[in-house]
Amino acid sequence: QVQLVESGGGVVQPGRSLRLSCAASGFTFNRYGMHWVRQAPGKGLEWVSFISYDGSKTYYAGSVKGRFTISRDNSKNTLYLQMNSLRAEDTGVYYCARGQGFLTGSDYWGQGTLVAVSS
Amino acid sequence: QSVLTQPPSVSGAPGQRVTISCSGSSSNIGAGYDVHWYQQFPGTAPKVLMYGNINRASGVPDRFSGSKSGTSVSLAITGLQAEDEADYYCQSYDSSLSGVVFGGGTKLTVL
Repeated sequence: QVQLVESGGGVVQPGRSLRLSCAASGFTFNRYGMHWVRQAPGKGLEWVSFISYDGSKTYYAGSVKGRFTISRDNSKNTLYLQMNSLRAEDTGVYYCARGQGFLTGSDYWGQGTLVAVSS
Repeated sequence: QSVLTQPPSVSGAPGQRVTISCSGSSSNIGAGYDVHWYQQFPGTAPKVLMYGNINRASGVPDRFSGSKSGTSVSLAITGLQAEDEADYYCQSYDSSLSGVVFGGGTKLTVL
């Protein structure tokens, strides 16, 4: 069955960096685009970034553009999110989610990993 | 302030019908970009309910249905059940922002 397992979250000081990973299994990873979506405590969902199936196309929300980098290693069935210059407002649960394409819905989601940016 | 506007909360008694609206503009729903709906229970990941405005995801009961009119879409739930109590989010694409956007979410309470 399809599984997406995020890791790499934790507590980090403002201005520091963190890299999240999402290990995929149960499907042909290199045929699907992937999203990162986050949710601040008690708030709604916020789209963060998308990468195409082959990594050739990437898209970012304005709030993270220039600070976050999405990437993937299809040989390892793993999605990444490199987060630099972290701010308090980046705090939340980060989910990876599978999507056929950039505009399609996400049919499978991971359980999320919590990132807390605090001094 | 979300680009897609949802009511913060809706409620209904068991067996009743409720609708959750998702209002957008000419740069997202009105431009023809598909809307998808998600259901989220506290402490869990979202689950897709509807694709492309009106198509139910696999395993979703036919009590859930979607519709679209102009710059708005709606999610209707008939025969409301206690297990439907959750948060619901709409999602689309916005050409002005060049990105995916979510509605602010609607909390459904089953009375």
